[in-house]
Amino acid sequence: DAGITQSPRHKVTETGTPVTLRCHQTENHRYMYWYRQDPGHGLRLIHYSYGVKDTDKGEVSDGYSVSRSKTEDFLLTLESATSSQTSVYFCAISAGGGTNYGYTFGSGTRLTVV
Amino acid sequence: SQKIEQNSEALNIQEGKTATLTCNYTNYSPAYLQWYRQDPGRGPVFLLLIRENEKEKRKERLKVTFDTTLKQSLFHITASQPADSATYLCALLHGSSNTGKLIFGQGTTLQVKP
Repeated sequence: DAGITQSPRHKVTETGTPVTLRCHQTENHRYMYWYRQDPGHGLRLIHYSYGVKDTDKGEVSDGYSVSRSKTEDFLLTLESATSSQTSVYFCAISAGGGTNYGYTFGSGTRLTVV
Repeated sequence: SQKIEQNSEALNIQEGKTATLTCNYTNYSPAYLQWYRQDPGRGPVFLLLIRENEKEKRKERLKVTFDTTLKQSLFHITASQPADSATYLCALLHGSSNTGKLIFGQGTTLQVKP
């Protein structure tokens, strides 16, 4: 999607290895979010950020950490990947935190942990 | 517990008819509710936002209603087309306007047959 890119698009990793997913935006939006999407669960919020160095946990944050050292980048790290973290990960951005504007989502990262 | 419920069964309708999708929620008091469209292999795309003091919102062939007493939102697509076939997600804003985040339903798949 315009203004937001996720990398990598696909990744296969081994159990126990650390993995970092990157979300980059060119919109200068304050708010950024990481979701995972799984069959039967829909989109679930992992972590989010409402400014540089301001982050908070979502509903499924265990095993994940995030960092936001500059406005345009929001990194999601799986500290020690497990098979239960096999999923499609979406990053989203918002100018208004969901109050006046919708979220813009990236194209997703499909992560497989073997 | 807090829940957002969308009909998990696919909705199949004939081209030209009106599609109506339902979103029910419990134990939330959202100030905003949003609807998204998601195509296979893609990230969700924002469609409409409705505030708690708005009963109805329209955008082209789309109409959303928001009944905070019933804790329900209805999403209508009039004169549906095969190109409208997709999964539609409702989401509500949970938390304050500054640090709130969107919580998503699991989505309803719409199939419009020619």
